[in-house]
Amino acid sequence: DTEVTQTPKHLVMGMTNKKSLKCEQHMGHRAMYWYKQKAKKPPELMFVYSYEKLSINESVPSRFSPECPNSSLLNLHLHALQPEDSALYLCASSKTSPESSYEQYFGPGTRLTVT
Amino acid sequence: GQQLNQSPQSMFIQEGEDVSMNCTSSSIFNTWLWYKQDPGEGPVLLIALYKAGELTSNGRLTAQFGITRKDSFLNISASIPSDVGIYFCAGQPKGGGSQGNLIFGKGTKLSVKP
Repeated sequence: DTEVTQTPKHLVMGMTNKKSLKCEQHMGHRAMYWYKQKAKKPPELMFVYSYEKLSINESVPSRFSPECPNSSLLNLHLHALQPEDSALYLCASSKTSPESSYEQYFGPGTRLTVT
Repeated sequence: GQQLNQSPQSMFIQEGEDVSMNCTSSSIFNTWLWYKQDPGEGPVLLIALYKAGELTSNGRLTAQFGITRKDSFLNISASIPSDVGIYFCAGQPKGGGSQGNLIFGKGTKLSVKP
């Protein structure tokens, strides 16, 4: 099973709202990722968790707050977002080094619109 | 930073045609991956390559890890309408090190010929 699930599928939020995106995988992967993807662009890495610890933060603004409660779950907490944060947010998972660690499996994404 | 040059940017296919696209870099990569993304969905991993010269197939798809380790190719044989979408190459640069440090190409958009 190579499935990564994400909820919700679509989210519309105002700039003063607080919301969360959720991601789940049951492949036993110990690395999980958040990406942001704008239209007609490749995914841009935001955060990497390895063994439930944050290992990479690609200088993401603090209005995005990741959380990894356990090895299967990854959350992205959103607060005080701006309209330019509207995008497709993708979660991915992979094994950790050294074997097959670069094969990242993506979820279907959450389409976020900030009004 | 490191970049991947993916070409063509877009192409039109007629059912039954073979399709080729490639990715090149100025630096050496240890891993090449090919993904397909349909509108509103996440990228789906098609093929992963780990050794220079490696040729791997997945159904009608064949990908190769270039001998120089600076490029990769994806071929689709006998295309069908469901092949339309955006294809991304991605790679792990040599010495890239960090978990998750994939570099993505800008994508090749496959559309059906009008």
